[in-house]
Amino acid sequence: NAGVTQTPKFRILKIGQSMTLQCAQDMNHNYMYWYRQDPGMGLKLIYYSVGAGITDKGEVPNGYNVSRSTTEYFPLRLELAAPSQTSVYFCASSPYTGNTEAFFGQGTRLTVV
Amino acid sequence: GNSVTQMEGPVTLSEEAFLTINCTYTATGYPSLFWYVQYPGEGLQLLLKATKADDKGSNKGFEATYRKETTSFHLEKGSVQVSDSAVYFCALSGDTNAGKSTFGDGTTLTVKP
Repeated sequence: NAGVTQTPKFRILKIGQSMTLQCAQDMNHNYMYWYRQDPGMGLKLIYYSVGAGITDKGEVPNGYNVSRSTTEYFPLRLELAAPSQTSVYFCASSPYTGNTEAFFGQGTRLTVV
Repeated sequence: GNSVTQMEGPVTLSEEAFLTINCTYTATGYPSLFWYVQYPGEGLQLLLKATKADDKGSNKGFEATYRKETTSFHLEKGSVQVSDSAVYFCALSGDTNAGKSTFGDGTTLTVKP
């Protein structure tokens, strides 16, 4: 079972460059999330989606964009990368609203130099 | 809003020692509570969960009891192993917030032989 798959696993960007972090899930989950994890810190929610075509901001959305055209895919776009976006990014999904655990991908480690 | 507070780490124990990691929460409604574990270089994975007051979640020798009166969900293990070395996150997922989880900052556990 693939679960939640993220690509790439590692990436180095130069300041001002753009990239898309890919996330796919094969569990037919309606809910998907993007988190960032800074060293020694917990997870901060960037964006989330409750279904195809519906997205909303989390705690730290600035500098990011998302889209959700299908149930399976939830890419995260970084425009004009900045050093403050150096972090580990996790995509997660859950099957339905509330009171349920999230299933995580293995993460993308991004360094902006 | 919802919040989760974990005991500050890191925690270093000898093999076979008793482990407690404290977790308290603030939430509206009737959240579910979770412990996730993150091994080096990997994403978070569910360790155990409890969905209502007085429930006890257990897995791999770890236990936690949902205490509504003290708003706590402390993680315990009677005898830790070197392989338990990881980062542990307490989290909650409410029934009113689109499935979004709130995470604590994580506690790093190192078990020495």
